[in-house]
Amino acid sequence: AAGVIQSPRHLIKEKRETATLKCYPIPRHDTVYWYQQGPGQDPQFLISFYEKMQSDKGSIPDRFSAQQFSDYHSELNMSSLELGDSALYFCASSLVRGGNKNIQYFGAGTRLSVL
Amino acid sequence: KQEVTQIPAALSVPEGENLVLNCSFTDSAIYNLQWFRQDPGKGLTSLLLIQSSQREQTSGRLNASLDKSSGRSTLYIAASQPGDSATYLCAVTPHTVETSARQLTFGSGTQLTVLP
Repeated sequence: AAGVIQSPRHLIKEKRETATLKCYPIPRHDTVYWYQQGPGQDPQFLISFYEKMQSDKGSIPDRFSAQQFSDYHSELNMSSLELGDSALYFCASSLVRGGNKNIQYFGAGTRLSVL
Repeated sequence: KQEVTQIPAALSVPEGENLVLNCSFTDSAIYNLQWFRQDPGKGLTSLLLIQSSQREQTSGRLNASLDKSSGRSTLYIAASQPGDSATYLCAVTPHTVETSARQLTFGSGTQLTVLP
């Protein structure tokens, strides 16, 4: 079965550069979530989209933005990168429509290293 | 604000032992609770999901229980194996009217080592 696809798997950037992370949800899933997991920390919710509209916002810095496109894939754009942005970024998708159990399926993550 | 705590932070057991991992949460208004497994530097694998109306879920050697009123969940692993070594995270989804705003709040995890 198709899973959540994230690209790239690894990304190395320098301070003040820009990065774009991509997420392709499981087919027919209508909701995408982004999480950030710093070294030795638990995942923290950043932002979510339902049917291509932003549905909720967590601890996402103003330097970050995200969107969900017509094909339901999502991109997380990160500008003016800082050393503290080095983390594992997860995308998860779920099917919310129809009263489903909201099981979130996670991608393998993108490891961002800011030098 | 929901807070999720996991105890212990780390656990080391010999192979074959049964063990229990604990998770507690401060706000009992949850929609569901999930247990995940994470291998070092890897993604999150969902193990079990318990809806707020359920008391437990079982999958193979794993059994998760939920006591929503007391804000607690346990993950029971029977006959542990070295391959079970990983970090186990619990996460809760808030019970909101807005069905799309159900982001997970994670605990900090229990790092399990099963010694051969």
